[in-house]
Amino acid sequence: EDKVVQSPLSLVVHEGDTVTLNCSYEVTNFRSLLWYKQEKKAPTFLFMLTSSGIEKKSGRLSSILDKKELFSILNITATQTGDSAVYLCADISNFGNEKLTFGTGTRLTIIP
Amino acid sequence: DGGITQSPKYLFRKEGQNVTLSCEQNLNHDAMYWYRQDPGQGLRLIYYSQIVNDFQKGDIAEGYSVSREKKESFPLTVTSAQKNPTAFYLCASSTVRGVSYEQYFGPGTRLTVT
Repeated sequence: EDKVVQSPLSLVVHEGDTVTLNCSYEVTNFRSLLWYKQEKKAPTFLFMLTSSGIEKKSGRLSSILDKKELFSILNITATQTGDSAVYLCADISNFGNEKLTFGTGTRLTIIP
Repeated sequence: DGGITQSPKYLFRKEGQNVTLSCEQNLNHDAMYWYRQDPGQGLRLIYYSQIVNDFQKGDIAEGYSVSREKKESFPLTVTSAQKNPTAFYLCASSTVRGVSYEQYFGPGTRLTVT
């Protein structure tokens, strides 16, 4: 059974700080790892990572995958109060059924 | 606008009643999914469907049922057999073909059973 573990479970920082969120996974026939941001309701897609060592970047957010260590990190620099959310990590295994296995999420709170 | 709609936004039911949550998408996606989210927990997969008239159980299917009679619609019924039905329910869809496995989520339905 696939397993995705995120850490920390919650994080409180001051506006302007840089944060790193962690995601480790154990999955048979790994295909991709996805990051989502969930503010109040529907998760919104951030990144999909398939290749090891290649950083994906979008503004102040970036993410990288290490397929050898079965690990991914999500970095947010110069945090803003609008970054406060639950960040979810999920993996897709290569069984052709597109099933995502989610971690429990990291709740990030940015204090002004 | 293309997207996924779920209704209702909030739903209250008495214990012992079945309740059906609606999920509709106009993205022309083949695959649809139902997840449940409890406080402090990630999303857990209830059922998914990759094609019309076919669906598979997810990790926590007991006490739930689904149907996929149309590509656009994937309703979820929470039956009285579900022991802890109070939760936030999210529907998602994705294209099965191609290289993008991004799942698009609906706004969710918060179900409270008393």
